[in-house]
Amino acid sequence: DIQMTQSPSSLSASVGDRVTITCRASQGISNSLAWFQQKPGKAPKSLIDAASTLQSGVPSKFSGSGSGTDFTLTISSLQPEDFATYYCLQYISYPFTFGPGTKVDLK
Amino acid sequence: EVQLVESGGGLVQPGGSLRLSCAASGFMFSDHNMDWVRQAPGKGLEWVARIRDRGRTDTTEYAASVKGRFTISRDDSKNLLYLQMNSLKTEDTAVYYCARSPLGRGPFDYWGRGTLVTVSS
Repeated sequence: DIQMTQSPSSLSASVGDRVTITCRASQGISNSLAWFQQKPGKAPKSLIDAASTLQSGVPSKFSGSGSGTDFTLTISSLQPEDFATYYCLQYISYPFTFGPGTKVDLK
Repeated sequence: EVQLVESGGGLVQPGGSLRLSCAASGFMFSDHNMDWVRQAPGKGLEWVARIRDRGRTDTTEYAASVKGRFTISRDDSKNLLYLQMNSLKTEDTAVYYCARSPLGRGPFDYWGRGTLVTVSS
């Protein structure tokens, strides 16, 4: 199975900050990487697939990059509604595997 | 509007069975792969199972943790997705989400709100 790691596991940031979350795969996954946002008590929401393609309706403050084993999710200017947990997911092979999540909270 | 609504969760004893359903609307259900993803209380996300679209004769994939115990199926005439869960273990306790996976794109573009399954004596 492909193992996914994320760093940091949590971070504290202020409104307006630029935030970067890193995701690493245990082996190359090309660009078969997606990012999800989850708020407490809610279902996850798809943000990005194919490492850098924004889902319809997702604001452009979110961006993704990377290929192979190393990927990043960047939020250009953090807003109150962005405080949440973010997960990466590899979908190049079964079983699909998620990263452990990065919790973004208010400093 | 795409909607996915899960049902069927509840409290069940270890070794018991439960069948979850997911009612889909707002899109061509039969043309999409469909998945179940779960989240144990306070934990991260875990993919559980996939069933492919009718064009690929509904083939399935499972996580190792549920293979042989869980069965994913679908009824395209009713736009329903199912997860039959047998031989349940306490570690199966989780919120179970159904999720749509469009062909040619990354998975899980839409999610239901989830249904809670609690396995406890």
